[in-house]
Amino acid sequence: ETGVTQTPRHLVMGMTNKKSLKCEQHLGHNAMYWYKQSAKKPLELMFVYNFKEQTENNSVPSRFSPECPNSSHLFLHLHTLQPEDSALYLCASSQLPGLVPHEQFFGPGTRLTVL
Amino acid sequence: DAKTTQPPSMDCAEGRAANLPCNHSTISGNEYVYWYRQIHSQGPQYIIHGLKNNETNEMASLIITEDRKSSTLILPHATLRDTAVYYCIVRVANGTASKLTFGTGTRLQVTL
Repeated sequence: ETGVTQTPRHLVMGMTNKKSLKCEQHLGHNAMYWYKQSAKKPLELMFVYNFKEQTENNSVPSRFSPECPNSSHLFLHLHTLQPEDSALYLCASSQLPGLVPHEQFFGPGTRLTVL
Repeated sequence: DAKTTQPPSMDCAEGRAANLPCNHSTISGNEYVYWYRQIHSQGPQYIIHGLKNNETNEMASLIITEDRKSSTLILPHATLRDTAVYYCIVRVANGTASKLTFGTGTRLQVTL
């Protein structure tokens, strides 16, 4: 596999369920990101990880819990979500920027529906 | 990061050049201009970036004005597959993972 992969591609869950989204990158990058894209709204950054350490949490509710066990894998654990959390969840990875910020490579996303 | 302004939508005939403008009048000297696009329900795709010189790659050309307050992304021969939302983003390199701040972009519709 190449690039950034995300599983599952589609997920339907109830408000009391617990589920996890998985992201894997095969690019040798050391920074990973979670973004949320709700209907008719711009992409919003949720979390940033550098070398497995979380460096940014963009005021995300605690019902979203990220985990980065190594530089290639990123999870988003979901529990007691609300219907308004239904959205496309996108994972991205990049090299850490030096003199030039590196481009981010995005996965195909997980389409989440909360009933 | 500096704010960007783009028209909400544009149309382009297939085979013609698509010129997508972006204003970034508050850009700082160490901020780069990046372009991404997002085809419906897919993850965004990097297109090109530049600092002050014009840039060209296999996908597009980026023209940045001399004062750096605006730029234009050029798709030289648009195809139906170029129909997407195009995002102009200004980013600074600060040694840590720099986030992408997406606006609403320009929805480009390529037609026959």
